[in-house]
Amino acid sequence: GENVEQHPSTLSVQEGDSAVIKCTYSDSASNYFPWYKQELGKGPQLIIDIRSNVGEKKDQRIAVTLNKTAKHFSLHITETQPEDSAVYFCAASGGIGGNKLTFGTGTQLKVEL
Amino acid sequence: DSGVTQTPKHLITATGQRVTLRCSPRSGDLSVYWYQQSLDQGLQFLIQYYNGEERAKGNILERFSAQQFPDLHSELNLSSLELGDSALYFCASSSDRDRTLSSGNTIYFGEGSWLTVV
Repeated sequence: GENVEQHPSTLSVQEGDSAVIKCTYSDSASNYFPWYKQELGKGPQLIIDIRSNVGEKKDQRIAVTLNKTAKHFSLHITETQPEDSAVYFCAASGGIGGNKLTFGTGTQLKVEL
Repeated sequence: DSGVTQTPKHLITATGQRVTLRCSPRSGDLSVYWYQQSLDQGLQFLIQYYNGEERAKGNILERFSAQQFPDLHSELNLSSLELGDSALYFCASSSDRDRTLSSGNTIYFGEGSWLTVV
């Protein structure tokens, strides 16, 4: 089945700096790649997603890029703010596993003042 | 608020017991997913139901079972509980009304049910 690897596991940045989280996937048939933000004690919240027919997508301070050839995708957060501190998960679906999501192991982002 | 409702929010029970977790999907969503989140295993897919029928199965133990009812709500039953079953259990839902779509439907998560087995 699909396997998603995510790096780094922890990331600490200064407020205002950019943060980048990277994921790779194994199933070349996967075609949907969402990113979720999870705050302590809450459920994962979808923040942005990208489909395989698109190479990049942007929503205000958040952007996602996809490289199908290399089978990796990345989350970029610019001008980070303290409220961006959370755990971020990448995921993939659409390959052999159908539309269930396979998640990466998460990145704990800490934005320091 | 994602629109996915889970009950109970917190549950403490003893080993060997059985519990039922309940999920109401977003209005109109046909697919329901169950995920388990523990510290050392991340978000693990358990099972998916689509319009009342099982569609996909993941790493769900034989002691666990689920169902989706005609009104589309779902229940996850956990029996013969062990200490290692302590985790956060999430329900999620997606529309999936276009059955030709094999993926790409946005999946929304509930706030989870915290299960502690003592």
